[in-house]
Amino acid sequence: GAGVSQSPSNKVTEKGKDVELRCDPISGHTALYWYRQSLGQGLEFLIYFQGNSAPDKSGLPSDRFSAERTGGSVSTLTIQRTQQEDSAVYLCASSLGVATEQFFGPGTRLTVL
Amino acid sequence: AQSVTQLGSHVSVSEGALVLLRCNYSSSVPPYLFWYVQYPNQGLQLLLKYTTGATLVKGINGFEAEFKKSETSFHLTKPSAHMSDAAEYFCAVLPSGGAGSYQLTFGKGTKLSVIP
Repeated sequence: GAGVSQSPSNKVTEKGKDVELRCDPISGHTALYWYRQSLGQGLEFLIYFQGNSAPDKSGLPSDRFSAERTGGSVSTLTIQRTQQEDSAVYLCASSLGVATEQFFGPGTRLTVL
Repeated sequence: AQSVTQLGSHVSVSEGALVLLRCNYSSSVPPYLFWYVQYPNQGLQLLLKYTTGATLVKGINGFEAEFKKSETSFHLTKPSAHMSDAAEYFCAVLPSGGAGSYQLTFGKGTKLSVIP
């Protein structure tokens, strides 16, 4: 498909387990972003990649959160030792470059029991 | 730091009535402005955007918005609501240059209900 894809669409896990969320950006988009959408906090910026580098990780909530991007394409967001407050929808977006329109994927709904 | 305020977390309109969703922003310089729509259990879809040029911008599904610098506003309108417009709408700003010109800042969202 031509759009941003994310997998899995839904993930239910137990508190304390690690999870990996995947994002496939639009082909040719050099910039990739992760956001989190939760009832209490709305839409929050997590991290931004330009190519494979992450110039700004300031939005990551704690050191349990990490992300990487390989080949200037696929990105993985990893949450270690999940907590119930990590339950949210994790949205990935990509764009041709900075300060340009961001295209969003359908999101991964994470539920931590 | 930038911020976005959307007035009204819930708005209800009758089918065929005018839709008006309000958005005000705070920024030291005029940012780029966006409206996104989110249908249940889906991601964000761009409705329209303002970067430069004409201050009245038209988007998909008959929506339009006007950038008013003096009022720091970017309100979203549609002349006649359809049932299919029921969704949540988010206003967002992006710095037009310099530091942070990659991070979208979103409003809290406005849930639009359309009454038959």
